[in-house]
Parts: sequence; structure tokens; C-alpha cells
Amino acid sequence: EVQLVESGGGLVQPGRSLRLSCTASGFSFGDYTMSWVRQAPGKGLEWVGFIRSKASGGTREYATSVKGRFSISRDDSKSVAYLQMNSLKTEDTAVYYCTRKLVGPYWGQGTLVTVSS
Amino acid sequence: EIVLTQSPATLSLSPGERATLSCGASQSVSSSYLAWYQQKPGLAPRLLIYDASSRATGIPDRFSGSGSGTDFTLTISRLEPEDFAVYYCQQYGSSPYSFGQGTKLEIK
Repeated sequence: EVQLVESGGGLVQPGRSLRLSCTASGFSFGDYTMSWVRQAPGKGLEWVGFIRSKASGGTREYATSVKGRFSISRDDSKSVAYLQMNSLKTEDTAVYYCTRKLVGPYWGQGTLVTVSS
Repeated sequence: EIVLTQSPATLSLSPGERATLSCGASQSVSSSYLAWYQQKPGLAPRLLIYDASSRATGIPDRFSGSGSGTDFTLTISRLEPEDFAVYYCQQYGSSPYSFGQGTKLEIK
């Protein structure tokens, strides 16, 4: 059974950093692109970025709103994808989901990041 | 950057009725790379349709997708009580891979 579990969320002050993890199981993690999507409280979905599999070059793409501040990486030996978030802003407050592939049925349960002083 | 506009923002219908949700793109979506998701409160989105018209595994056949270019439609042929939720479209033809703002399907 495919499972994705996000962790690392919490309360952080503006300007600080936070790293989220997405721990995968039930599939060959290294073969897949892993994506991040966020949802601010009461708002719609926003694509954040993804990292391709190493076989596809391991390249990354990001939304304009996070480019230069957020970075996605992966550790295939641990089946974990990471979202490093730097220079956090109050508008980054959201539930962050990881997903398998750019579009697909497998999503984690999400982890809440609150950016507030 | 492709902007997706969903209409209507809210759709009020009764169980048994037909629902038609629209998703318009500011530019042509490459290769009809358009997906539809359903989301219920407190839960992660559920993939319904990908490649504009292909149903995801386990999705009932009352859900169908159509369209190409800049105009896409999600149709629910006969609403069941569990279908009342928020629906999002997403284009994945060109980065950044944007979502629409959502359509809330509510019980009339």
C-alpha cells in the first residue's frame, strides 16, 4: 500500500527556516517524481514544486511565489523527500502536502506550517 | 504562466441532478494535460480525472471530463450525496503547474 507521511510542520517566526519531510512507503520511491502542494487556511490549492527522479535527471521546478526561498531534495536511500523553506513569510502559512508524481492519486495527510510572530 | 479560472464559484444542486463544472485556461493547455480533483473538509484532494478525460482508478463512471485547448468541463451525471465537495482543476502541461480557484458544489 502506497503511503506518504509528512512531518516537520509547526509554528515559526517570519524570516526563519523550516524543513518538511515526506516519508514514503509501499513503492519504489526512487522511480518517481515527488511534488509538494500547499493550501492556506480556507483557501484553494497551490502547487509548490517538484523533484524528478534521478533517472529523469533529478531536476526541480518551483512556483514563482517560492522560487529562491524554497528548495526540494530527496534521499532515495531513505525514501524521503524534503521541502526546505527559508525566509518564511506569513503568507506561507498553509497545510503542506506531498504527492507522488506531478498528478496522481497518492497524497499525504498534510502538515500545517504557521508563520507568525 | 497559465491562469485557470473555474466557474461557477458555487453550484447549488440537488441529489440526482447533473452537475457541469467549467475550467478555463488563459493559454492553451499542452496535450490536454488537465486534471480534476475533489476535496472534502479536512482531507487531502482526491484525483478524479487526468489527461482531461481519463478517469482515475476507482472513480465512478458518473464522473466524466472533456475539453481541450483552453476550455475544460467536469460533468457529474447524477449527483450522489457524497459528491458535494470542492472541485479543483490543475494544468500540468507547462510550469508553473497551476490550480484553479475551485468550485464549491453544495446541496440545494
